[in-house]
Amino acid sequence: GENVEQHPSTLSVQEGDSAVIKCTYSDSASNYFPWYKQELGKRPQLIIDIRSNVGEKKDQRIAVTLNKTAKHFSLHITETQPEDSAVYFCAASRGGGSYIPTFGRGTSLIVHP
Amino acid sequence: EAGVTQFPSHSVIEKGQTVTLRCDPISGHDNLYWYRRVMGKEIKFLLHFVKESKQDESGMPNNRFLAERTGGTYSTLKVQPAELEDSGVYFCASRPLNSQETQYFGPGTRLLVL
Repeated sequence: GENVEQHPSTLSVQEGDSAVIKCTYSDSASNYFPWYKQELGKRPQLIIDIRSNVGEKKDQRIAVTLNKTAKHFSLHITETQPEDSAVYFCAASRGGGSYIPTFGRGTSLIVHP
Repeated sequence: EAGVTQFPSHSVIEKGQTVTLRCDPISGHDNLYWYRRVMGKEIKFLLHFVKESKQDESGMPNNRFLAERTGGTYSTLKVQPAELEDSGVYFCASRPLNSQETQYFGPGTRLLVL
């Protein structure tokens, strides 16, 4: 089955800095890669996703890159703000059908004002 | 539109007791998923319903866990008898039947087994 590794487990940055979270996956058939943000005490929410037919996707201060050959994908947050502080989860799946994502262990991002 | 709701938000029980968690998906969402996250680890898949049918229950840890979705609306997940290692946050998520892969998560139930 799929295995997703996520690093780092904790990331501490100063407000305004950039943050990068990296994930690797094992199943070469995976073609859908969502990222979820879970603020303290709240539900995980999808913030951005990417499909295997593109290498990069941006949404304002958030971007995701995908390297299918190396089987890794990354989340980039620029100009971090305190409200970006949360746990971020990456996931990988074959998409479509029953769609069962495999999640990483999560990265706790702390943005210091 | 109301989101996915879960009840209770927290539960503290003793080893050997029974606990039943409930999930109400977004109205009209035929796909319903249960996940569990143990502290510091990944969100792990437990099972998947399509309407009232179990599509995939490969992630259920053992026969102490029983999930139901009678009528294809809300779902329950019962743990009987609970063990210490069952502690964690149980998430439910839902998704429309013929849609992209985006899942909508509930707030989770924090279960602590003492």
